[in-house]
Amino acid sequence: EVQLVESGGGLIQPGGSLRLSCAASGFTVSSDYMNWVRQAPGRGLEFVSLIHRDSGTYHADSVKGRFTISRDNSKNMLYLQMNSLRTEDTAVYYCARGAPFFFWGQGILVTVSS
Amino acid sequence: DIQLTQSPSFLSASVGDRVTITCRASQGIDSYLAWYQQKPGKAPKLLIYDASTLQSGVPSRFSGSGSGTEFTLTISSLQPEDFATYFCQQLHRYPWTFGQGTKVEIK
Repeated sequence: EVQLVESGGGLIQPGGSLRLSCAASGFTVSSDYMNWVRQAPGRGLEFVSLIHRDSGTYHADSVKGRFTISRDNSKNMLYLQMNSLRTEDTAVYYCARGAPFFFWGQGILVTVSS
Repeated sequence: DIQLTQSPSFLSASVGDRVTITCRASQGIDSYLAWYQQKPGKAPKLLIYDASTLQSGVPSRFSGSGSGTEFTLTISSLQPEDFATYFCQQLHRYPWTFGQGTKVEIK
């Protein structure tokens, strides 16, 4: 059974850093597109980042230069390193598998506030 | 970026109603469109991809159509568990963008 479980969220001050993790089971993260999507409170969905099977990455303009997506094949984990966080980064962050997004994690809340 | 505009943003319907949601793209996206359903406090769930392919396990009352710039999601007979918010997503060009959502509520 495919499962995705996010961790690492929480409250962080503006300008701070946080690393989100997504533990995958039932498949290997290197075998498919892996994505991060976020949803600000009461708002719609925003695509954040993806990593290809061949390790190529793409980041939305809103996070480019601040966020980095990566994976660890040996641990079957997906990560999102978030630096220089802003209040507008406050959202529930989801990891999702595939293109389109066939499987989603349950989401993790990141709150950027002083 | 490719903009997706859903209409309506909100609709009120009754159990058994036929419901249609439209998603219009700011430029042609072939058939690279997906539809998701999201219930409060839950992750989205994929319903349809490639504009009209039903995801495994999704009831057949859901259907999708369209290509190019105009797409529709149809629920043939609305069920109590279908009251949710629906999003379209294009995967034709980066960044993969979403529509703003359509909330389906009980009349």
